[in-house]
This record gives sequence, C-alpha cells and structure tokens, in this order.
Amino acid sequence: DQQVKQNSPSLSVQEGRISILNCDYTNSMFDYFLWYKKYPAEGPTFLISISSIKDKNEDGRFTVFLNKSAKHLSLHIVPSQPGDSAVYFCAASALGNQFYFGTGTSLTVIP
Amino acid sequence: DAMVIQNPRYQVTQFGKPVTLSCSQTLNHNVMYWYQQKSSQAPKLLFHYYDKDFNNEADTPDNFQSRRPNTSFCFLDIRSPGLGDAAMYLCATSTAATPSTDTQYFGPGTRLTVL
Repeated sequence: DQQVKQNSPSLSVQEGRISILNCDYTNSMFDYFLWYKKYPAEGPTFLISISSIKDKNEDGRFTVFLNKSAKHLSLHIVPSQPGDSAVYFCAASALGNQFYFGTGTSLTVIP
Repeated sequence: DAMVIQNPRYQVTQFGKPVTLSCSQTLNHNVMYWYQQKSSQAPKLLFHYYDKDFNNEADTPDNFQSRRPNTSFCFLDIRSPGLGDAAMYLCATSTAATPSTDTQYFGPGTRLTVL
C-alpha cells in the first residue's frame, strides 16, 4: 500500500518559470518530510526537508510547502534551470521510523 | 571524493545463484540502509543497521540477508535470486540517533539483472 504518492510521473517547464512538484500522503502520523533529487546513474541526493511543525521551508530557489490537513506537500523551484532536470522523490517518516518514498516525478526544464 | 560507494554498478546473475552486493562509506556514519527500487516504483527499505544492530523490515523476504563487518562496509546477500528480484539496489547512510530525521546519503546503486 503506497503511503506516499506522486501522481505526476513527469513534468515539463520552461526555463525561468516555476516548477511545482506535488506529493500526497495517507499516514497522518508522518511528521518529517524530505525531497530528494536524482540524476541518471546517480543515487538520490538530499534537497530540502520540512517537519510537521512548519508549513513552509525555503532554501534558495527551493521551497517546500506542507498542508497537513490536506496531507499534501509540494516543492516549488523558482526560477527553474536546465540543471534542475532530474527525478524528484518525496519521502516521509513517522516518529523516527523508516522513510517511505514516492515513485518520483521526472522534471524536464526546457531551455 | 565519493562518499557512498556501491560495487558493482551492474550485476548479472542466474536464477538461484547467490549474489552479494557491496556498499562502503567514507562518512563514518553509524546507520546504513539497503533499499530495493523496481522500475517506476518507490525505493523500498529492506533493512538497516544502527552500528551493529540489525533492523529487518517485516516484509523483507528471508532470501535477503545483510552483513556489516565494520562501520565502513555493508553487504547485501541474495541467497537464491528470483526473476522478481531484478531491481536497483540502493545503499544509504545517515548519522542521527533517530535515523529518519536526518538526511540520508545514497550511493549510485547497483542494478541487478537475473537471467
């Protein structure tokens, strides 16, 4: 049973515009969320995180928003750059237990 | 300056022939994880070590075993690979006492093919 879902397998965005990647979860006990970025032939690398006590966390061009009532988080990339083209995974955990990953969204930023 | 190294990057084995995948780290992290990722699916945690303490996920098949002889190395042994075990196997490390609240550093993965 998939507890973390990324319903868009792919997304294409023009360079300079905003990329919005979405993630939904089912477990209301999840209290920590991360986004990873994965380039081909490489392992996932940490991008940004948010705990459930916050609803927004910002790091440069990357902002993660958390809507606990909707069990939804999103990653905003502004402005998008061609080097942002990668697969983005969201992951969630509850009370110090394992991470559950989404299936990933492949982002293509068009120059 | 690779931090989490997985060898080999590609492994081909025959149905039922035991295979071992290797992971090493230069980060001196006390937690090491093995994930299985099948095509178009999310990475799935198989097990993790907190130092020498082994933590197996409830739904990890008995066919999968792991060894951690020291802080730097962790091995994934598949005793009798089936066709359904073909996947990317990702090793990751972290440092926190509560592993899931810390960043995990991933290796590049080993892609296993079972013939």
